[in-house]
Amino acid sequence: DAGVTQSPTHLIKTRGQQVTLRCSPKSGHDTVSWYQQALGQGPQFIFQYYEEEERQRGNFPDRFSGHQFPNYSSELNVNALLLGDSALYLCASSSLAGDTGELFFGEGSRLTVL
Amino acid sequence: GNSVTQMEGPVTLSEEAFLTINCTYTATGYPSLFWYVQYPGEGLQLLLKATKADDKGSNKGFEATYRKETTSFHLEKGSVQVSDSAVYFCALNNNDMRFGAGTRLTVKP
Repeated sequence: DAGVTQSPTHLIKTRGQQVTLRCSPKSGHDTVSWYQQALGQGPQFIFQYYEEEERQRGNFPDRFSGHQFPNYSSELNVNALLLGDSALYLCASSSLAGDTGELFFGEGSRLTVL
Repeated sequence: GNSVTQMEGPVTLSEEAFLTINCTYTATGYPSLFWYVQYPGEGLQLLLKATKADDKGSNKGFEATYRKETTSFHLEKGSVQVSDSAVYFCALNNNDMRFGAGTRLTVKP
């Protein structure tokens, strides 16, 4: 049973560019959450998707957007990249119906903005 | 809003020492509480959880009790090992998961 998978694992962009990160949830999960983890910090909640709609959103600007597909996979898009967007981006999946609140995390996509 | 405050690190202990990492939370309603661990070079893994007041979560010798009266969920282990060296995150879920800043633990032989 595959866990949460994310791609790419590492990428380098320059300021002003746009980036798309991808996530496939754990089998049987229908909810995907995205987090930003800066070096030495805890994960910060970006948003959560369920049934292809944004269900919850953290305190992130509109430059951060997302999408969930019918197969529950998800994308995180960041436009007009800033140096401060350099971080590890984590995807987590869960099952809303059997919700004990536990999230299953992928290993992340490390974004470096130059 | 919902938030978690955890003990700042880093924490350095000798093998077999007793570990406590403090965690307090602010939330409306009745959140579920979690400890996640991040080993070097790996993603976050669930260590233990508690879903209601007075519940005790336990795993791999670690324990934490959901204390509603003190809004706390402190992590403890009676005898740490070198392999416990990692970053530990306290978290709460009240519609969405919020994490503390993390506490880096280093255990020396």
